Amino acid sequence: GAVVSQHPSRVICKSGTSVKIECRSLDFQATTMFWYRQFPKQSLMLMATSNEGSKATYEQGVEKDKFLINHASLTLSTLTVTSAHPEDSSFYICSAHGGRKGGNTIYFGEGSWLTVV
Amino acid sequence: AQSVTQLGSHVSVSEGALVLLRCNYSSSVPPYLFWYVQYPNQGLQLLLKYTSAATLVKGINGFEAEFKKSETSFHLTKPSAHMRDAAEYFCAVSGHSGNTPLVFGKGTRLSVIA
Repeated sequence: GAVVSQHPSRVICKSGTSVKIECRSLDFQATTMFWYRQFPKQSLMLMATSNEGSKATYEQGVEKDKFLINHASLTLSTLTVTSAHPEDSSFYICSAHGGRKGGNTIYFGEGSWLTVV
Repeated sequence: AQSVTQLGSHVSVSEGALVLLRCNYSSSVPPYLFWYVQYPNQGLQLLLKYTSAATLVKGINGFEAEFKKSETSFHLTKPSAHMRDAAEYFCAVSGHSGNTPLVFGKGTRLSVIA
């Protein structure tokens, strides 16, 4: 079964509204999670690094006030797309490192398809 | 800094033919290397990974890849293509720390012709 779970898997929202995507590590604690974005027919681009208990680190060109990341616990990171616009429509996917207890490997969530209409 | 270059955005092979998807990396530290597959409208599935053990790595679905430091390459191969192998394939590189994100290549779309 999945060790990193994302919810929702698909969401449609109206332009101007906000959408929250959750990323949970199910069998391990993750002090660091990563958020990626994938536009249609393109590769995955790192948006930000989510650090438990501290502020996220954003990649160049990613608006921190638009893409709010909260990592309030060792098993949950959330990405909130604020005031969404159609150009924010994309596939958002998170990942976490399992550490020694988690097989010392990287796990990806199932991804979330966001469509802004 | 790390980066990955996938040569060929689209590769087309006949069913039963050899699959070769090319990946070259650049890394200032010893790399971990990965190949992922993405089927249409789905998430990522890990095919295989190199983590500094054996240089020839065997993965799922009959795929394998060989780490060649001298060539900074990590090409993905499969002896005989199946129709179900048609998908997008991504090569990725990371450092050894769990706090290091993956850096993905642009992807190679594999088409399999009957």
